[in-house]
Amino acid sequence: DAGVTQSPTHLIKTRGQHVTLRCSPISGHKSVSWYQQVLGQGPQFIFQYYEKEERGRGNFPDRFSARQFPNYSSELNVNALLLGDSALYLCASSLQGGLETQYFGPGTRLLVL
Amino acid sequence: GDSVTQMEGPVTLSEEAFLTINCTYTATGYPSLFWYVQYPGEGLQLLLKATKADDKGSNKGFEATYRKETTSFHLEKGSVQVSDSAVYFCALIRMDSSYKLIFGSGTRLLVRP
Repeated sequence: DAGVTQSPTHLIKTRGQHVTLRCSPISGHKSVSWYQQVLGQGPQFIFQYYEKEERGRGNFPDRFSARQFPNYSSELNVNALLLGDSALYLCASSLQGGLETQYFGPGTRLLVL
Repeated sequence: GDSVTQMEGPVTLSEEAFLTINCTYTATGYPSLFWYVQYPGEGLQLLLKATKADDKGSNKGFEATYRKETTSFHLEKGSVQVSDSAVYFCALIRMDSSYKLIFGSGTRLLVRP
């Protein structure tokens, strides 16, 4: 079975632009979470979705938004990009978004110039 | 709030040496504990997990025991290989409004032939 897939793999944007990142979970998984990993640090939680509803949100500004579609895939949107948004964005899927294991995709590396 | 503290790296070892990477946590309730590994340029892979006190997680020669009395989850391997060179992240998750993973800052391991 395919694992978590993310697109694109790499992206270069300029300050002030907007970006959309995409994630497809493992088949049968209904929950998707998004994390931001700045170089040299551990991932930081951004959002969790389960059954198309937002279940949790981390300490990120309103420029960050996300949604989950009926097929359980998800999009992360970031508006008005700042240099500090440069990071690896990781998507993780799990069966129901509870205490079970979260499986990560390869990430999208975003560079903001 | 909940947090995870890992020993700082890099940890440099010779092949076949014994590995210990320390991890301690602060959390209310009874978190589940995880070790993830990140190879250069890739996302996170689950290495092992433990869901309750005294559980031992193991995989690919790596082991970690959930010690509630010392709030620790140290990663060990008896004989490391060059291919084990990567960044290792300790993480916790607990029952909350959102089941987010909280990560340590990561420990880079470099194994020399």
